[in-house]
Amino acid sequence: EAGVAQSPRYKIIEKRQSVAFWCNPISGHATLYWYQQILGQGPKLLIQFQNNGVVDDSQLPKDRFSAERLKGVDSTLKIQPAKLEDSAVYLCASSRPTGSVGTQYFGPGTRLTVL
Amino acid sequence: GNSVTQMEGPVTLSEEAFLTINCTYTATGYPSLFWYVQYPGEGLQLLLKATKADDKGSNKGFEATYRKETTSFHLEKGSVQVSDSAVYFCALGHGSSNTGKLIFGQGTTLQVKP
Repeated sequence: EAGVAQSPRYKIIEKRQSVAFWCNPISGHATLYWYQQILGQGPKLLIQFQNNGVVDDSQLPKDRFSAERLKGVDSTLKIQPAKLEDSAVYLCASSRPTGSVGTQYFGPGTRLTVL
Repeated sequence: GNSVTQMEGPVTLSEEAFLTINCTYTATGYPSLFWYVQYPGEGLQLLLKATKADDKGSNKGFEATYRKETTSFHLEKGSVQVSDSAVYFCALGHGSSNTGKLIFGQGTTLQVKP
């Protein structure tokens, strides 16, 4: 089966500009996650969707970050306006409920550099 | 709150050496524990997992045992290869019985030299 797809792979912007990332999860996976991975750190969850509803967005900086998952499939994460500290790799993951804590499958990530 | 602590890296070993990467966690309840691996230029992928105390996860020669008494999930491999060079992340999963967010450690870089 096809894996989690993300685009773009790399993005360079200047501070105060806006940027959007796209994710297409594995077919049939109801749960979708966006993580932020700052260099030298582990990924940190930004937002979790179950179908097209938000399950957890407690660590999403809502003044500048937004995310949506229309129709419960693809998802878009937006940053507006970007700050220098937003430079990171943004990872999308998906999982399918299995009756236990589900395995998450990760995409290749989008590396964002804010200048 | 829930957290994961891994040993600092990088860890540099010669081929065929024994590997241990320490991982300890703090959590309420009974989390599931995971090791993910990130090879150079690739995305994170699950290496192994354990869902309850005393379970042993294993894959590709790697093993880790869920130790509730010591709140640990150390990763071990008896004989590492150059191809094992990667960043290893310990994580715990909580939430609903079906899916839950992952809390990751900071990662440990392993370098294996021929």
